[in-house]
Amino acid sequence: GQQVMQIPQYQHVQEGEDFTTYCNSSTTLSNIQWYKQRPGGHPVFLIQLVKSGEVKKQKRLTFQFGEAKKNSSLHITATQTTDVGTYFCAGPRWGEIIFGKGTRLHILP
Amino acid sequence: SQTIHQWPATLVQPVGSPLSLECTVEGTSNPNLYWYRQAAGRGLQLLFYSIGIDQISSEVPQNLSASRPQDRQFILSSKKLLLSDSGFYLCAWKGGHTEAFFGQGTRLTVV
Repeated sequence: GQQVMQIPQYQHVQEGEDFTTYCNSSTTLSNIQWYKQRPGGHPVFLIQLVKSGEVKKQKRLTFQFGEAKKNSSLHITATQTTDVGTYFCAGPRWGEIIFGKGTRLHILP
Repeated sequence: SQTIHQWPATLVQPVGSPLSLECTVEGTSNPNLYWYRQAAGRGLQLLFYSIGIDQISSEVPQNLSASRPQDRQFILSSKKLLLSDSGFYLCAWKGGHTEAFFGQGTRLTVV
């Protein structure tokens, strides 16, 4: 069945360094969504990408959707302590939402 | 505006006891509803999803069940809890092609 894979599982960065997480699907996706879960909290929607090759920015966050619509990435420039959390990508499968396992970001002061 | 309520926030239950977690959505009609489980430090495992009243799809065979007695009510149940049922349970709703909105979650510890 359809799988959404995400790497790396964990990432430790010094505050101010950049961070990237990658998402790959076994099948072509109609869209991909990104969520952030703060420690102890629930996932919160960040953005949705729909078009092949689409790039969207939210302040220091840059999201890309691959040309084949099977992969995506989230890049954070100059990380801050507020970026701590787990970032999930998610793809639709019929009525379901299939999440990747997430990338947990730790910021070292 | 739409809101999602999930309770309780935390729960400690003995092995073999029953479970009932409730989730309700306000401000929307005919939402897709989901139950996810998240083990400590792990990803989101889809347990059940529902596209309508009494329409439940199960992703993982286990001792949990779900019901949707009303359009905006989704219930997760178990007759006898196992230690392995401990985790963070999240209810979510989604309409059309929009994003998913999650409840605050229930942290279940089976002892």
